[in-house]
Amino acid sequence: KAGVTQTPRYLIKTRGQQVTLSCSPISGHRSVSWYQQTPGQGLQFLFEYFSETQRNKGNFPGRFSGRQFSNSRSEMNVSTLELGDSALYLCASSPDIGGTQYFGPGTRLTVL
Amino acid sequence: GQQVMQIPQYQHVQEGEDFTTYCNSSTTLSNIQWYKQRPGGHPVFLIQLVKSGEVKKQKRLTFQFGEAKKNSSLHITATQTTDVGTYFCAGWEGNTPLVFGKGTRLSVIA
Repeated sequence: KAGVTQTPRYLIKTRGQQVTLSCSPISGHRSVSWYQQTPGQGLQFLFEYFSETQRNKGNFPGRFSGRQFSNSRSEMNVSTLELGDSALYLCASSPDIGGTQYFGPGTRLTVL
Repeated sequence: GQQVMQIPQYQHVQEGEDFTTYCNSSTTLSNIQWYKQRPGGHPVFLIQLVKSGEVKKQKRLTFQFGEAKKNSSLHITATQTTDVGTYFCAGWEGNTPLVFGKGTRLSVIA
């Protein structure tokens, strides 16, 4: 099976812009989660989707939003980018809720 | 909310020495998972523990889940340079999202 894919892999934006990141889960996986990873902060949970429904949302401002499509593909959007949004954004898919997370390679976002 | 604490944050060992990282949850867990992230890579699943007191081994790696299902440990015997990376534990309560610890970064000096 193909692994989790994320696009784009690298992104450079300026403050105030918005960005959309995409994630394609492993075929058959209905759960998709998003994490923000910064040095020293580990993996901070952003969202969890299952069958197009947002099940959980992490402690992030409303500028961070996401959605899941009927084919389980997911997108996350960050509006009005701030310097502190620079991070590695990881998507993970799982066959079920609370199960093994299969991570994609991540999108490295740099905000200038 | 649920918190998962992981210690130590960093560990430097000589090749051949043992290494242990500990994970403690503020709440009782349904399962605990361990992941490894190599430098420049993404987290990769190692193992999942579900039962109270469970012990699982993968070659030189030994994983334990506490009796109260609130703590866990990962022990590596005779570390090798290939063990370098950050080890994360992640706890799942049930209806809440998986909560990751901040990880233990392991450096192995040859």
